[in-house]
Amino acid sequence: DAGVIQSPRHEVTEMGQEVTLRCKPISGHDYLFWYRQTMMRGLELLIYFNNNVPIDDSGMPEDRFSAKMPNASFSTLKIQPSEPRDSAVYFCASSLSGQDQETQYFGPGTRLLVL
Amino acid sequence: LAKTTQPISMDSYEGQEVNITCSHNNIATNDYITWYQQFPSQGPRFIIQGYKTKVTNEVASLFIPADRKSSTLSLPRVSLSDTAVYYCLVGDYSSASKIIFGSGTRLSIRP
Repeated sequence: DAGVIQSPRHEVTEMGQEVTLRCKPISGHDYLFWYRQTMMRGLELLIYFNNNVPIDDSGMPEDRFSAKMPNASFSTLKIQPSEPRDSAVYFCASSLSGQDQETQYFGPGTRLLVL
Repeated sequence: LAKTTQPISMDSYEGQEVNITCSHNNIATNDYITWYQQFPSQGPRFIIQGYKTKVTNEVASLFIPADRKSSTLSLPRVSLSDTAVYYCLVGDYSSASKIIFGSGTRLSIRP
């Protein structure tokens, strides 16, 4: 397996534009997580899915952020409209189970810069 | 919200044992303690997880005292490739808002 795949790896956009980040989890993993990492706040969990269903989105910063998982092999994190403070590295991770973090594998991340 | 406190940075030499301590005074009953390693431009990588006492795997040991208000990650005989940022995470995935990794410890290994 190629591991968790994220695209794009880098994104530069202007304030107000819509940004869509994509993730392909490891095949067979039932859980998918979206994280955001910044210097100020460290690494934060935004939302996670179990069997394609959003379980907890309490970490999503505000309504401009939305995440979907239309099938077991694909998820998106959308920011609309984007703001400069959204600049961060966004990681997607997947795991076999929720609490068992030993099986949680992170993707390489998408580095987002909003000008 | 279980806040974690770790040293900002540590230095050591190849072949030495390195111990990184994390304080988490308000850990909750359901919280697990997990340590991750992160290299530049990569996502974090799981090292070890525990709830109480001692856990050991092929790469590290995790020591947790009875009160669980702190934990110590022990890396035996480090090498240059262990230079990375190490994060202590305390929480449970029942509520995403509780999962915050914090600023981590930047470990530098010298020859």
